[in-house]
Amino acid sequence: KQEVTQIPAALSVPEGENLVLNCSFTDSAIYNLQWFRQDPGKGLTSLLLIQSSQREQTSGRLNASLDKSSGRSTLYIAASQPGDSATYLCAVSPPTDKLIFGTGTRLQVFP
Amino acid sequence: DTAVSQTPKYLVTQMGNDKSIKCEQNLGHDTMYWYKQDSKKFLKIMFSYNNKELIINETVPNRFSPKSPDKAHLNLHINSLELGDSAVYFCASSQETVQETQYFGPGTRLLVL
Repeated sequence: KQEVTQIPAALSVPEGENLVLNCSFTDSAIYNLQWFRQDPGKGLTSLLLIQSSQREQTSGRLNASLDKSSGRSTLYIAASQPGDSATYLCAVSPPTDKLIFGTGTRLQVFP
Repeated sequence: DTAVSQTPKYLVTQMGNDKSIKCEQNLGHDTMYWYKQDSKKFLKIMFSYNNKELIINETVPNRFSPKSPDKAHLNLHINSLELGDSAVYFCASSQETVQETQYFGPGTRLLVL
């Protein structure tokens, strides 16, 4: 049974710091891994999708890496800003054609 | 311009009532989903439909019945609501299957009293 864990559960950093969010999954048989952002009281916004054959994806200040064999992904946020404050969720797509979400990392970036 | 919309945004109701949540997507996607996010913010899939056909049913109680009148709509009807049904319900869609990026609606906050 696929389980997805995110560490840390919460993170508070000053503006300008580079930071890394971690995601681990127990079954390496996945199609892809996605990172989402959820703002309080809002829906999810897809940030990056990494196919199983890829090692990383970049979008602006965000970089996500995938090491399928070790069951890990990291989301790197460069030069963090207060507007980055949100909950970040990773989700894996196993062959059973559904997304399995992690527990989330709640990020607060203070000025 | 809204890609995935849900109504209502908030729903407060008594135990035992029957209620429906509607979802519509204007992205032309073939696949739609319902997720439940509990009080601990854990998000779990409930149903998935592809071209109006059910493809995933995650052992959800049969009090929950999804209905897809067409490819752009996936509604969720809940019978005999229970306290434990209180959660945020999200609708999502993707082009084909879960291998594509999913687009989420804003969520429906259900509170059962």
